Amino acid sequence: AQSVTQLDSQVPVFEEAPVELRCNYSSSVSVYLFWYVQYPNQGLQLLLKYLSGSTLVKGINGFEAEFNKSQTSFHLRKPSVHISDTAEYFCAVSGANAGNMLTFGGGTRLMVKP
Amino acid sequence: DSGVTQTPKHLITATGQRVTLRCSPRSGDLSVYWYQQSLDQGLQFLIQYYNGEERAKGNILERFSAQQFPDLHSELNLSSLELGDSALYFCASSVAGGAQETQYFGPGTRLLVL
Repeated sequence: AQSVTQLDSQVPVFEEAPVELRCNYSSSVSVYLFWYVQYPNQGLQLLLKYLSGSTLVKGINGFEAEFNKSQTSFHLRKPSVHISDTAEYFCAVSGANAGNMLTFGGGTRLMVKP
Repeated sequence: DSGVTQTPKHLITATGQRVTLRCSPRSGDLSVYWYQQSLDQGLQFLIQYYNGEERAKGNILERFSAQQFPDLHSELNLSSLELGDSALYFCASSVAGGAQETQYFGPGTRLLVL
């Protein structure tokens, strides 16, 4: 079975500061990794995904994530956040071991303060 | 706008009742997924359909059922509702249901069971 752990339930940060949202996964087989964002009262929107190849993945809105196989991590980063980045962020995995569905972490609420 | 539509947006009902949630996937997508988002369980996969056939089942209760119709829209039926069924129900779609594909999420149906 696959599982995803998002180590921080809330991350407060000031506007224009850098941020890192942490994600660790457990799986005995290769997985695909995703980061989704959920703005208040909306559905989930894909930020970026890792399928294979380069371990540094760039996504929308200036976000990027780095896949680290040895540490089974897929942390999300942004060098300078905006107020509009305030949202809930979900890390997810899918893969051969548990089918094509997404297994989500518990989410991290990013709170950007002026 | 992801292109996935869900109706209704909100639903308030009483315990013991039955409701039907509807989802229309993005144009061209053959696979539909249903997820439940609740405060205590987080985001959990319920069921996946591909071109009218059930492909995978997750933590879906026996009181819940789903189907995908020939026009590819899907319905999630929830019966004998309990207070604990109150949650946000998301539908997502992808092109062919593969693990590496992006799943596009609808805005969700918020169910409140009183």
